[in-house]
Amino acid sequence: QVYLVQSGAEVKKPGASLKVSCKASGYPFITYGLHWVRLAAGQGLEWLGWINPGNNDSRYSEKFQGRVTITRDTSTNTAYMELSSLKSEDTAVYFCARDLGMSSSVFEYWGQGTLVTVSS
Amino acid sequence: ENVMTQSPSTLSVSPGERVTLSCRATETVSGNLAWYQQKPGQAPRLLIYGASTRARSIPARFSGSGSGTEFTLTISSLQAEDFGVYYCQRYDDWPPSITFGQGTRLEIK
Repeated sequence: QVYLVQSGAEVKKPGASLKVSCKASGYPFITYGLHWVRLAAGQGLEWLGWINPGNNDSRYSEKFQGRVTITRDTSTNTAYMELSSLKSEDTAVYFCARDLGMSSSVFEYWGQGTLVTVSS
Repeated sequence: ENVMTQSPSTLSVSPGERVTLSCRATETVSGNLAWYQQKPGQAPRLLIYGASTRARSIPARFSGSGSGTEFTLTISSLQAEDFGVYYCQRYDDWPPSITFGQGTRLEIK
């Protein structure tokens, strides 16, 4: 059974940075790509970026380029998403999602979500 | 940017009825189109990818069709548990580039 377990809710101040983790189990970690997607209240889903856990290659949405970094630790089968220079508009639920393959960009399995609140 | 527009924004349907949700792109997406269902407090659930391939364990009442810029998700006979927000998603082969529609909220009458 595939599981993606994310870290807990966070409250951040504007200008701060955020780091959310996503621990994978139930499948070979380096064989499938991982993405990060967010859902802000009153808005739709928004893709942030992707990582190949096997070779650490990553790609990002143009909107978040320069502000988001996705990394992984193969010793713990965990992926991380860092978002810097937080603004109130970054308040959202952040999800990690496993790709159908390595880079199909189809999200077959999802984490439970991490609520991030950005407020002064 | 290839903008995805879903219609209608909200739909209220009785159990047993047929439901059709639409997704339109401003540029051709070929067959790289997926559909997800999201219920309150839950992660999205993959329903359809490649425009018409049902994901694992998805009931046969869900089907996808379309090509180019016009896509449709059909629920042949609505069940009570089918409420939620439905999102379409376009994706490029490489490098990854992904855009979602704004969603259609499906309510059960």
